[in-house]
Amino acid sequence: DAGVTQSPTHLIKTRGQHVTLRCSPISGHKSVSWYQQVLGQGPQFIFQYYEKEERGRGNFPDRFSARQFPNYSSELNVNALLLGDSALYLCASSFGVGNQPQHFGDGTRLSIL
Amino acid sequence: AQKVTQAQTEISVVEKEDVTLDCVYETRDTTYYLFWYKQPPSGELVFLIRRNSFDEQNEISGRYSWNFQKSTSSFNFTITASQVVDSAVYFCALSGISGYSTLTFGKGTMLLVSP
Repeated sequence: DAGVTQSPTHLIKTRGQHVTLRCSPISGHKSVSWYQQVLGQGPQFIFQYYEKEERGRGNFPDRFSARQFPNYSSELNVNALLLGDSALYLCASSFGVGNQPQHFGDGTRLSIL
Repeated sequence: AQKVTQAQTEISVVEKEDVTLDCVYETRDTTYYLFWYKQPPSGELVFLIRRNSFDEQNEISGRYSWNFQKSTSSFNFTITASQVVDSAVYFCALSGISGYSTLTFGKGTMLLVSP
């Protein structure tokens, strides 16, 4: 079975631009979470979606938004990009919520120039 | 608020040595879950183990073992007879019962195993 897939793998943008990152969960998984990992740090929670509804939001500005589609795939959108948004963005899926192990994709490495 | 501290930034060992990675956590939840993940250079986080706060039994899986001590809020990870393929960044993470399984990660420990 395929794991969590994310696209694109790498992305280069300039300040002020907008970006959309995509994630397909493991088949059968209904929950998707997004994390931002800055170089040298642990991942930080951005959003969690379950059954197409937002179930949790981390301490990120409103420039960050996300959604989950009927097939449980998800998009993360970031507007008005800043240099500080440069990071590895990780998507994780789990069957449900409630502390089940989350399985991560390879991430999208976003660089802002 | 939840917090995970991994005080060891980087550890270097020679193959076949045993190595222990430390993890200390803080939470106000009485029910919580602890995790360890491995992140090789490719970037993907690989799930290793989940432990709930009511189960303090130590666990062994092959060369890996975990020591959970609620009294000291620690969840340490030991690799026995380390191998070069164990080289990676290891993250300890915490999830509270009220958090819909969102994870709070430590800053990670980079393990370098040389031949």
